[in-house]
Amino acid sequence: DAGVIQSPRHEVTEMGQEVTLRCKPISGHNSLFWYRQTMMRGLELLIYFNNNVPIDDSGMPEDRFSAKMPNASFSTLKIQPSEPRDSAVYFCASSPGTAPGNTIYFGEGSWLTVV
Amino acid sequence: AQKVTQAQTEISVVEKEDVTLDCVYETRDTTYYLFWYKQPPSGELVFLIRRNSFDEQNEISGRYSWNFQKSTSSFNFTITASQVVDSAVYFCALSEEKSNTGKLIFGQGTTLQVKP
Repeated sequence: DAGVIQSPRHEVTEMGQEVTLRCKPISGHNSLFWYRQTMMRGLELLIYFNNNVPIDDSGMPEDRFSAKMPNASFSTLKIQPSEPRDSAVYFCASSPGTAPGNTIYFGEGSWLTVV
Repeated sequence: AQKVTQAQTEISVVEKEDVTLDCVYETRDTTYYLFWYKQPPSGELVFLIRRNSFDEQNEISGRYSWNFQKSTSSFNFTITASQVVDSAVYFCALSEEKSNTGKLIFGQGTTLQVKP
């Protein structure tokens, strides 16, 4: 079975450019998460969708970040304009159901470098 | 407030040694869930185990075992007869029932290096 699929795996972009990260959750999962991993802050939740609806976006750093989930099989995380401090690994994850305690399965991550 | 502490930043062992990774959590919720994830050098996060707060039975899976003790708010992970392939960053995480979202609170991770 396919796991969570993210693209691109690696991206290097110049400051000020728009970055779009893509995610396909595991089929049948109705919860989707975007996490960011940095050396300074570790793994932190950016946004959580349930049944394609954003439920908690309190972790989104600022207005430069936006996330969408137009359907059950696709989500995007966009950064516009990007800044060097956005350099991080961005993980998409999904879980079955909406109950707390469901196992969350992560994609392989998108490694973003903003120069 | 919810918090997960992995006090060991880095551990280095020689192959075949046993190693225990510590995890201490804080929560006010009576129902919660604990997880361990492995992040190998390739970077992906791999799910290892999930445990709910009402199940304090220890679990063993091959060379891996987990010790959950509510009295000390700990959920420690032991690798027996470690192998080079066990070298990775290991994360402990907490999810609270009251969050209603399944949101994971991660510890800072423990980097395990297993030398041949």
